[in-house]
Amino acid sequence: AQSVTQLDSHVSVSEGTPVLLRCNYSSSYSPSLFWYVQHPNKGLQLLLKYTSAATLVKGINGFEAEFKKSETSFHLTKPSAHMSDAAEYFCVVSDLGGAQKLVFGQGTRLTINP
Amino acid sequence: DAGVIQSPRHEVTEMGQEVTLRCKPISGHDYLFWYRQTMMRGLELLIYFNNNVPIDDSGMPEDRFSAKMPNASFSTLKIQPSEPRDSAVYFCASSSGGGKFDTQYFGPGTRLTVL
Repeated sequence: AQSVTQLDSHVSVSEGTPVLLRCNYSSSYSPSLFWYVQHPNKGLQLLLKYTSAATLVKGINGFEAEFKKSETSFHLTKPSAHMSDAAEYFCVVSDLGGAQKLVFGQGTRLTINP
Repeated sequence: DAGVIQSPRHEVTEMGQEVTLRCKPISGHDYLFWYRQTMMRGLELLIYFNNNVPIDDSGMPEDRFSAKMPNASFSTLKIQPSEPRDSAVYFCASSSGGGKFDTQYFGPGTRLTVL
């Protein structure tokens, strides 16, 4: 079965500094990978997804992620954090078994310090 | 588009009571998913439908849980009888197409508390 590991349960950065949220995946095949964001008391919103077309994926709100097969990683980055980025972030892999059985990481809580 | 709609947003009930959660997917989407989010287990898929037909219910925790999709615009997740350990946030999501790159769109969730 496929799985994802988010290496940090909590990341804290200052406003205006870079953000790095780490994700490693396990997959026997070419995976599909996603990053979702969940703001407090809200549903999940797709930030970006890897579709095998390009290894560097750009998403909404200035986020991007790079697929590195050799490292089995899909880290999420943003050059400059904004207060509104404070949220929970989930790295997700699509399971092989049928349509879109998403497997979620445990999440990384991002805190932005003023 | 209004997005995925879930109701109620919050539900507080007592152990043993029946609970029904509702979901309206995005119009035109042919896949519907039910997830549960808890602190201990994170986000986990319970069941999903394609064209109103349940395809995989292997994530449903036990027989107390049931889900239906009587038509393309409505689905329910029922818990009977409810137990305190069912307390969680339940999300509904929908997507167009079953490809592994298709995006699932999530509703705001229903926060269930069983006392």
